[in-house]
Amino acid sequence: SVLTQPPSVSGAPGQRVTISCTGRDSNIGAGYDVHWYQQLPGRAPKLLIYANTNRPSGVPDRFSGSNSGTSASLAITGLQGEDEADYYCLSYDTSLSGVVFGGGTKLTVL
Amino acid sequence: EVHLVESGGVEVQPGGSLRLSCAASGFNFDDYAMHWVRQGPGKGLEWISFINWRGSEPLYSDSVEGRFTIARDNAENSLYLQMNSLRPEDTGLYFCVKDAGLRDWYFDSWGRGTLVTVSS
Repeated sequence: SVLTQPPSVSGAPGQRVTISCTGRDSNIGAGYDVHWYQQLPGRAPKLLIYANTNRPSGVPDRFSGSNSGTSASLAITGLQGEDEADYYCLSYDTSLSGVVFGGGTKLTVL
Repeated sequence: EVHLVESGGVEVQPGGSLRLSCAASGFNFDDYAMHWVRQGPGKGLEWISFINWRGSEPLYSDSVEGRFTIARDNAENSLYLQMNSLRPEDTGLYFCVKDAGLRDWYFDSWGRGTLVTVSS
């Protein structure tokens, strides 16, 4: 994938985890926004964070986004069992003239 | 509430063709760009195509360029994907997704997907 994410992360209930998303000068490094999606098993993805740091209505403030340079991160605090899902980052890539996804990160709540 | 309902996914042989449809409701369809995103079995998400609000300026990923054609009918609030020369690696769940704006390059609503299987 053009955007690189760790394949998996894990944490105990109540803990904080972060998921990284590393891009290039043609996407995140060029200033294009990063967006994050949560995909629960068997479900369509759901928008979690848009434009780097913004939460859609209904998304708990336990979820937050940040970015710097050619990378972005999703942080989840107060981990809950219902957070167990796949998480994807997304951005626009100017050299590919299209949207690019990260490979996805599977979050396991221990 | 936004609703996107995909249809048309079936099992087809390699080299075959298929047309996917997406019925949209709950928003002003012709105010937004639309996309198709797919997910192979057990795999991640892959953006494959974009169309602007007017139905022009189509864009495709390298993996489907020259084989797939995206189209929309604003009068019918519908999005389409014509898929030709299908390959086994095209197998997956195809999602109709709504751009957050005219060309915001992210998706604020997703359909449930329609399953395409390419197999002999």
